[in-house]
Amino acid sequence: RKEVEQDPGPFNVPEGATVAFNCTYSNSASQSFFWYRQDCRKEPKLLMSVYSSGNEDGRFTAQLNRASQYISLLIRDSKLSDSATYLCAALNQGGKLIFGQGTELSVKP
Amino acid sequence: DTEVTQTPKHLVMGMTNKKSLKCEQHMGHRAMYWYKQKAKKPPELMFVYSYEKLSINESVPSRFSPECPNSSLLNLHLHALQPEDSALYLCASSQVAGVDQPQHFGDGTRLSIL
Repeated sequence: RKEVEQDPGPFNVPEGATVAFNCTYSNSASQSFFWYRQDCRKEPKLLMSVYSSGNEDGRFTAQLNRASQYISLLIRDSKLSDSATYLCAALNQGGKLIFGQGTELSVKP
Repeated sequence: DTEVTQTPKHLVMGMTNKKSLKCEQHMGHRAMYWYKQKAKKPPELMFVYSYEKLSINESVPSRFSPECPNSSLLNLHLHALQPEDSALYLCASSQVAGVDQPQHFGDGTRLSIL
C-alpha cells in the first residue's frame, strides 16, 4: 500500500464547478501536509499548507482529519487556469516529503 | 518566478559521461533536497541536506553523488548513468528540514541518457 494515496482522476469539470480532491495517508507519524499544483512539464508549486482547523485561500479550502488520516482540497468556481495535476504530500521526520500519485484536473469551457 | 534556481534546464548525456546538476537558493533556507520525477509519476525523494550535512539518502545508487558546498548551493554529480535514469530532477529547499516547513521547488533539470 502506498504511504499517500489520492483519487485516481482525471477529473473533467465545466467552468464554475466545485471539485473536491481527497487523499489518505498511512503513516500516523506524518507531521504536516501540503497540496501542490503541477502544470505539464513544470515544477510542483506549493498551493496550500493543510492545518487541522482547515484553511481557506480564496476559492481553495483544505482540510485535515488526523483521526481518519485524510486530507482534502476543495476548489470552488473552477477556472480554465485551474487545469493542472494536484499533488497531496505528507511531511515526515527529517523533511521527508511523500507525494500522492497526483490527480489530473481538466476544466472545460 | 521560482526562488530556487536550477541549471542546466536540459541535459543530454551518454552513459560514460560525467556531469553535474546545480541548484541555488538565496532565501536563507538551511535544508535542501533532490527529487527525481518520471513522467506521469510524483516526485520521489533522493537526498536531504540539513545545515549542509547529508541527513537522508533514500538508497540512491552511487552513480548519483550529492554535494552541498555551502548553505545556498546543492550539486548532484552524475557518472555512468543508465537510460532508466532519464527523468526530471528537482531541487527543493525549506527553512529547516522539519515540522510545518513547506518545500519550494526549482523548475528542474530534464535529463536524458543516451
